[in-house]
Amino acid sequence: QVHLQESGPGLVKPSETLSLTCSVSGDSISSHYWSWVRQPPGRRLEWIAYIYNSRTDFNPSLKSRVTISLDTSKKQISLKLTSVTAADTAVYYCASIPQFWGQGTLVTVSS
Amino acid sequence: EIVLTQSPGTLSLSPGEKATLSCRASQSVYKNYFAWYLQKPGQGPRVLIHGASIRATGIADRFTASGSGTDFTLTISRLEPEDFGVYYCQQYGSSPVTFGGGTRVEIK
Repeated sequence: QVHLQESGPGLVKPSETLSLTCSVSGDSISSHYWSWVRQPPGRRLEWIAYIYNSRTDFNPSLKSRVTISLDTSKKQISLKLTSVTAADTAVYYCASIPQFWGQGTLVTVSS
Repeated sequence: EIVLTQSPGTLSLSPGEKATLSCRASQSVYKNYFAWYLQKPGQGPRVLIHGASIRATGIADRFTASGSGTDFTLTISRLEPEDFGVYYCQQYGSSPVTFGGGTRVEIK
């Protein structure tokens, strides 16, 4: 059973960079497509990006601000979102769609 | 981008009743790469169905799903107390991956 755990700052200032890490256990990190998904308060889920080994894909609405990377030695997936605004406030999930999801981490963008 | 529209927005039902949820896609979903999730307050989504009709591991057989192309349905034959929450549909066959707006199933 794959287990995912997101971690990172819960508060980020406007215009700064949001950085999150997802730690993977229970399976090889090279065997899955790893996605980041977010959910703003009271709104629908929004897919951000995925990475599969060196292959990546991005939501066009966020592509210019997103970096996703894999550290196979640490079994971690990282997300960076630059130039954040209040609209980026959300619960951020790490997932291997559709089967495995982390519990999510709330990131609030505020000064 | 494939837009997913779920209906109804809210279902008010009693335990033991049958629930039918719908999701319509703006374009055909590639290879039926389609999933249903249940999300409870303060929790992440839990997959119920993938591949349009395949129950995920550990999901009770009161959950059945069908559909292909642009029209998909999730049926819960007899609602249990733990089934109440928000149900989301998702397509993961085309980029970007997209989700529906959700159907809230609440206790009547």
